[in-house]
Amino acid sequence: KQEVTQIPAALSVPEGENLVLNCSFTDSAIYNLQWFRQDPGKGLTSLLLIQSSQREQTSGRLNASLDKSSGRSTLYIAASQPGDSATYLCAVVRLISNFGNEKLTFGTGTRLTIIP
Amino acid sequence: GAGVSQSPSNKVTEKGKDVELRCDPISGHTALYWYRQSLGQGLEFLIYFQGNSAPDKSGLPSDRFSAERTGGSVSTLTIQRTQQEDSAVYLCASSLRTGIRTDTQYFGPGTRLTVL
Repeated sequence: KQEVTQIPAALSVPEGENLVLNCSFTDSAIYNLQWFRQDPGKGLTSLLLIQSSQREQTSGRLNASLDKSSGRSTLYIAASQPGDSATYLCAVVRLISNFGNEKLTFGTGTRLTIIP
Repeated sequence: GAGVSQSPSNKVTEKGKDVELRCDPISGHTALYWYRQSLGQGLEFLIYFQGNSAPDKSGLPSDRFSAERTGGSVSTLTIQRTQQEDSAVYLCASSLRTGIRTDTQYFGPGTRLTVL
């Protein structure tokens, strides 16, 4: 059974700092990995998706890396801003059959607070 | 274009009653997922629809839970004889499949269900 863990569970950093969020998964046979942010009382917003054949993806100040062999992904946020405060979730997809029956298995999340 | 929409946004019901939650996926998205986010438990997969294939129901917690997807578009998640432990935010997501490859999952705002 796939287990996805995120460390730390909570993180507070001053505005402007660069930071790294970590995600680890137990089954390396993944199809892709996705990072989301969730704002209080709201749904999930997709940030980045990394296919299993890729090593990293970048979008603006965000960079996500994937190391399948070690079961790890990191989300790097550069020059953090107060608007980055949210809960960040990583999720992996495991291809179950040729029909692509896929579901996301979510990590436990990291609650990020950027201090102005 | 319009994103994934869900209704109602909030639902309060009495224990033992049946409830129906609705999801309108992004137009053209063939894959539709239901997830549940319980307090202190994180996100868990419930059910997955892909085109006309038989749905993946492996995540449904009991036979009180069922879901339909009519015409390959709108989906309804039904919970019969609700229990207090059913209280959670129910999230719907959709994605576009191209052959075996799945794109990013886009989430709706969720329905917050409270069972008294």
